[in-house]
Amino acid sequence: DAGVIQSPRHEVTEMGQEVTLRCKPISGHNSLFWYRQTMMRGLELLIYFNNNVPIDDSGMPEDRFSAKMPNASFSTLKIQPSEPRDSAVYFCASTPRTRYGYTFGSGTRLTVV
Amino acid sequence: DAKTTQPNSMESNEEEPVHLPCNHSTISGTDYIHWYRQLPSQGPEYVIHGLTSNVNNRMASLAIAEDRKSSTLILHRATLRDAAVYYCIESKGTGANNLFFGTGTRLTVIP
Repeated sequence: DAGVIQSPRHEVTEMGQEVTLRCKPISGHNSLFWYRQTMMRGLELLIYFNNNVPIDDSGMPEDRFSAKMPNASFSTLKIQPSEPRDSAVYFCASTPRTRYGYTFGSGTRLTVV
Repeated sequence: DAKTTQPNSMESNEEEPVHLPCNHSTISGTDYIHWYRQLPSQGPEYVIHGLTSNVNNRMASLAIAEDRKSSTLILHRATLRDAAVYYCIESKGTGANNLFFGTGTRLTVIP
């Protein structure tokens, strides 16, 4: 089991550019979560999916952020246009839709300059 | 968001037990207590969870107070690799299972 796989590990982009972060959940896990972590705000839940369907996106900061899960093995988080305040570590996590045991990926460190 | 209260930081000597406290005074009867930890430069890692009874696994033990308003994560023998931020989380929600992380306790292990 390779765990939750996120790519890229690091991304540096210029303000105004589009950024796409990718996540491959663990096979068989029905729920997928996107979190963002900054020093100021800690870990924030952005959006989560159950069976590929977005359930709650109330944590998405604004319309510049969008997330998709076209199938059970892939999800993307897109920021367009990116801004310096989007700089953070973005984590993806998956779980087999029980009350326990989220598995997190290693994260994508995004820097917007 | 469910609210838990933890000390900002704690220290422990290597090879000694560590007791990490958590208050969750507003917990309801069906809410679980989860513990995760985050090592430096890594994503959070599941440690343990419980509802009412004390729980043990290979990583730690979880002691839950009888009134469920508090719990304690117990690391039986701290190692340098246990230095991390430990998060105590109530799971609220009707089947949504989304976890909200607070600020956690930063554990420093002293050699």
